[in-house]
Amino acid sequence: ETGVTQTPRHLVMGMTNKKSLKCEQHLGHNAMYWYKQSAKKPLELMFVYSLEERVENNSVPSRFSPECPNSSHLFLHLHTLQPEDSALYLCASSQAGADYGYTFGSGTRLTVV
Amino acid sequence: RKEVEQDPGPFNVPEGATVAFNCTYSNSASQSFFWYRQDCRKEPKLLMSVYSSGNEDGRFTAQLNRASQYISLLIRDSKLSDSATYLCVVTSGTYKYIFGTGTRLKVLA
Repeated sequence: ETGVTQTPRHLVMGMTNKKSLKCEQHLGHNAMYWYKQSAKKPLELMFVYSLEERVENNSVPSRFSPECPNSSHLFLHLHTLQPEDSALYLCASSQAGADYGYTFGSGTRLTVV
Repeated sequence: RKEVEQDPGPFNVPEGATVAFNCTYSNSASQSFFWYRQDCRKEPKLLMSVYSSGNEDGRFTAQLNRASQYISLLIRDSKLSDSATYLCVVTSGTYKYIFGTGTRLKVLA
């Protein structure tokens, strides 16, 4: 496997459910990110992990809980979401300090019903 | 003022045309600049970095104007496959990339 892989590709969940999004990168990068993309809005940075330490948390509600067990894996745990949380959730990785930009995963399209 | 601003478009151009997009940014301390391409319902993919001296990659030319705080993307000889949304990205700190809302391009046969 190469690049950044995200699972699942699609997820429909009720407001009382608990689910997790998974991201894995095979690029040897040392930073990983969660972004949210809603219709007609720019990508919103949610969390940044560098060397498995969270370095940025952009005022994200506590119903979103990230976890980075090692430099290759990143999770986003979801619980008691709201319909307005429906969006495309993108994981990305990069080599912090290098100027190569991000590599994104293909995203999880989340629908909260 | 938004941190990164782009004209949302759409820009409808015929095949073979030249088209240019601009993007303005508000943080004069921004260091790195990129153009990403995003196809419908797909993830963004890096198109090119933007360097101070300007840079070219085939039919694509990117330029940076620090004094006026904008970057541009020029596409020559447009192809149908160039139809996509083009996202301007500006860094703010080591980890933080700020994305514009994107400019939609439709190349018409």
